[in-house]
Amino acid sequence: QKEVEQNSGPLSVPEGAIASLNCTYSDRGSQSFFWYRQYSGKSPELIMSIYSNGDKEDGRFTAQLNKASQYVSLLIRDSQPSDSATYLCAVNTGYSSASKIIFGSGTRLSIRP
Amino acid sequence: GAVVSQHPSRVICKSGTSVKIECRSLDFQATTMFWYRQFPKKSLMLMATSNEGSKATYEQGVEKDKFLINHASLTLSTLTVTSAHPEDSSFYICSAVDRGSQKLFFGSGTQLSVL
Repeated sequence: QKEVEQNSGPLSVPEGAIASLNCTYSDRGSQSFFWYRQYSGKSPELIMSIYSNGDKEDGRFTAQLNKASQYVSLLIRDSQPSDSATYLCAVNTGYSSASKIIFGSGTRLSIRP
Repeated sequence: GAVVSQHPSRVICKSGTSVKIECRSLDFQATTMFWYRQFPKKSLMLMATSNEGSKATYEQGVEKDKFLINHASLTLSTLTVTSAHPEDSSFYICSAVDRGSQKLFFGSGTQLSVL
């Protein structure tokens, strides 16, 4: 079983709609959770971080964490063509910065005009 | 946000030569840096964890004698690909953990092409 799983997509969403990206993780002791956006040929860019159960909102982005279900999601409201990218879910499996951060394989999101 | 500088952004070299890639955290201290490689349309593959002042920890299957990592200060880690071969051609990305915020930030990546 992969440690961090994501649907590879592509996920196609019409412009202006809500895009919903999901991620599950296997290590129940994981402490920190991140969403990164990666455009083709570029390095990942941190979008959201979440550490406790519930929702965290930042502009058009909302991260949701459910530790009991080992599930983290990212919602993008009012999707724009510029949101088309690969979204990587990342999980820090320990308590310190030296802990290993595990990435999912990414979900390709395509926003159609 | 925090900035991680990585260079060169692109390098083309002949087979058998060595290539050094630098990764610097510009506005924060990073006791831990990570090195990844990524093939086209594939996810990041962690190669090694670089800890300041100590030897790097390599992932299974990554040759430590081929991919030399040095993390001599809190703001600089280097990856040297020794005796590069065409199969080493890839996108190499570093990342650094901000000791204060515990967040991970990425460098801009280095596209290595070995002829």
